[in-house]
Amino acid sequence: DADVTQTPRNRITKTGKRIMLECSQTKGHDRMYWYRQDPGLGLRLIYYSFDVKDINKGEISDGYSVSRQAQAKFSLSLESAIPNQTALYFCATSEIGGANVLTFGAGSRLTVL
Amino acid sequence: DAKTTQPNSMESNEEEPVHLPCNHSTISGTDYIHWYRQLPSQGPEYVIHGLTSNVNNRMASLAIAEDRKSSTLILHRATLRDAAVYYCIRREGAGSYQLTFGKGTKLSVIP
Repeated sequence: DADVTQTPRNRITKTGKRIMLECSQTKGHDRMYWYRQDPGLGLRLIYYSFDVKDINKGEISDGYSVSRQAQAKFSLSLESAIPNQTALYFCATSEIGGANVLTFGAGSRLTVL
Repeated sequence: DAKTTQPNSMESNEEEPVHLPCNHSTISGTDYIHWYRQLPSQGPEYVIHGLTSNVNNRMASLAIAEDRKSSTLILHRATLRDAAVYYCIRREGAGSYQLTFGKGTKLSVIP
């Protein structure tokens, strides 16, 4: 099994729908992140969490919300999806301290029609 | 602002060494250099990181210039599986959690 698992891997939805992307990890890491990747661009940070009671906005948090349900689970929600949120979403984890090496999931491809 | 500059693309012949350059001219003394790569249809994966000294691991070597304004990721013998986008990232400070990904270098490996 993958260290960082994202579900669903692919999702097509319509404008205005609420969407949740889920992430779970078996690394035992405290820090979790959600990134967005658009074609030809690098990854941009949406939200990050250092522990269960900690949530922080990243570079592009507008239109998104997150929930850290447990150390191992971090979900990303789009309350009312819009077409420009069509993108590839990645969850990542890292441990506290050290080199802050990120372990990424395989990604969730979201299409908003 | 990724704060690093990389060529958009590079090509290499299979089984040849590959040198991927990165410019980080505004780096400060406590900034680490990280490299990740993203294979097609996969999430990014960690390759290597360093601060001042050259570093080696099973995947690659990292050569950091003496003035630390540039670095080079070295793949000693490119394989077809090394075809990916390679990201050079500046991690600001030992306590920094955030890695900012730019557009990276797309490496093509020619059989």
